[in-house]
Amino acid sequence: GQQLNQSPQSMFIQEGEDVSMNCTSSSIFNTWLWYKQDPGEGPVLLIALYKAGELTSNGRLTAQFGITRKDSFLNISASIPSDVGIYFCAGQSGSRLTFGEGTQLTVNP
Amino acid sequence: SAVISQKPSRDICQRGTSLTIQCQVDSQVTMMFWYRQQPGQSLTLIATANQGSEATYESGFVIDKFPISRPNLTFSTLTVSNMSPEDSSIYLCSVERAGLGNEQFFGPGTRLTVL
Repeated sequence: GQQLNQSPQSMFIQEGEDVSMNCTSSSIFNTWLWYKQDPGEGPVLLIALYKAGELTSNGRLTAQFGITRKDSFLNISASIPSDVGIYFCAGQSGSRLTFGEGTQLTVNP
Repeated sequence: SAVISQKPSRDICQRGTSLTIQCQVDSQVTMMFWYRQQPGQSLTLIATANQGSEATYESGFVIDKFPISRPNLTFSTLTVSNMSPEDSSIYLCSVERAGLGNEQFFGPGTRLTVL
């Protein structure tokens, strides 16, 4: 089946630093999604990417849909303490989502 | 995005019993899904809840263990049957928003602990 490799697994950064995480796949996806999950909550959609090469921003977040359609990255600029959480990438084909293993982000004030 | 609620938010159950989890959406949606998130893990799709017909299960999940109902376009239930400690997980429902990319939005989840 389809598999997503998400890296890094965890990050420990200082407030104000920029963060980058990425996902790669062995298969092509039509849509890439990035979610954030806080403890005790369901994942919240941050950014959706629909076209190969697309670069999309949402506030301090920027994400890109790789040109090969097999990868995506998420950047967070000027991190703040509330950025703490687990970030998941997800590739979508039809209605089926395949999730990466997540990146646990810790931001030290 | 749609407003999605789940009941219960958490429960502690004895092995061998069953628990039914409810998912309610504030608007009609075509597609509803159920996911499992084991401790410290990512999300795995259990099944697609189809309105008016049997759910479509992913490999490794069967109807006898995870029966699903979808009586209308705003509601679905997932039952975890004959539970064992290995069923301890967060169970999440999601809905698909029809549109450009058909993004999925998630409920808050039900945290299940089986003793």
